[in-house]
Amino acid sequence: KNEVEQSPQNLTAQEGEFITINCSYSVGISALHWLQQHPGGGIVSLFMLSSGKKKHGRLIATINIQEKHSSLHITASHPRDSAVYICAVSSNRDDKIIFGKGTRLHILP
Amino acid sequence: EPEVTQTPSHQVTQMGQEVILRCVPISNHLYFYWYRQILGQKVEFLVSFYNNEISEKSEIFDDQFSVERPDGSNFTLKIRSTKLEDSAMYFCASSDRTSGGNYGYTFGSGTRLTVV
Repeated sequence: KNEVEQSPQNLTAQEGEFITINCSYSVGISALHWLQQHPGGGIVSLFMLSSGKKKHGRLIATINIQEKHSSLHITASHPRDSAVYICAVSSNRDDKIIFGKGTRLHILP
Repeated sequence: EPEVTQTPSHQVTQMGQEVILRCVPISNHLYFYWYRQILGQKVEFLVSFYNNEISEKSEIFDDQFSVERPDGSNFTLKIRSTKLEDSAMYFCASSDRTSGGNYGYTFGSGTRLTVV
């Protein structure tokens, strides 16, 4: 069983739709990361959370530590949001980050 | 905005050759990492480095791999005798690990290694 599970694996939506990507994890963590990987391969760190909620522009990330679950929301989605979104956790046992398989998001104009 | 710089962006090498992937972390960061992503697969942790030594490494990081911080700015990943299955995108990252435990990671744009 993967220690970090994301859903859905693939998501296609129309421009303007509200997007939710979910992440569940099974290990103890010190932080959870949401990353964006562009088609060219580069990775951008969007959020790092250890509790509660963070907002940056149209992106919102939430985490529920008790339920070991996090969500990434995109409001008013736009074709330029098309990318792979990766959930990753920093283990509280060691210095590793464990990555999910990513959610491929495609926003249609 | 400070960046993590990786060079080269793409490297093609013959099987059995040694390659060195280079990274320049953000200058005030103290923790450095290498990750790899085989095409179509998820990103995998390779190694973390702090205070001039390896702090963690994964099962992937065997004797074929080594890391070094040869000077105050570069952080390198050496693959001694490349195999076809080493073909992947290799990402460097650094973090600041402030005392409050809140720290951010910054990733480089990656080096695509192709072993032929």
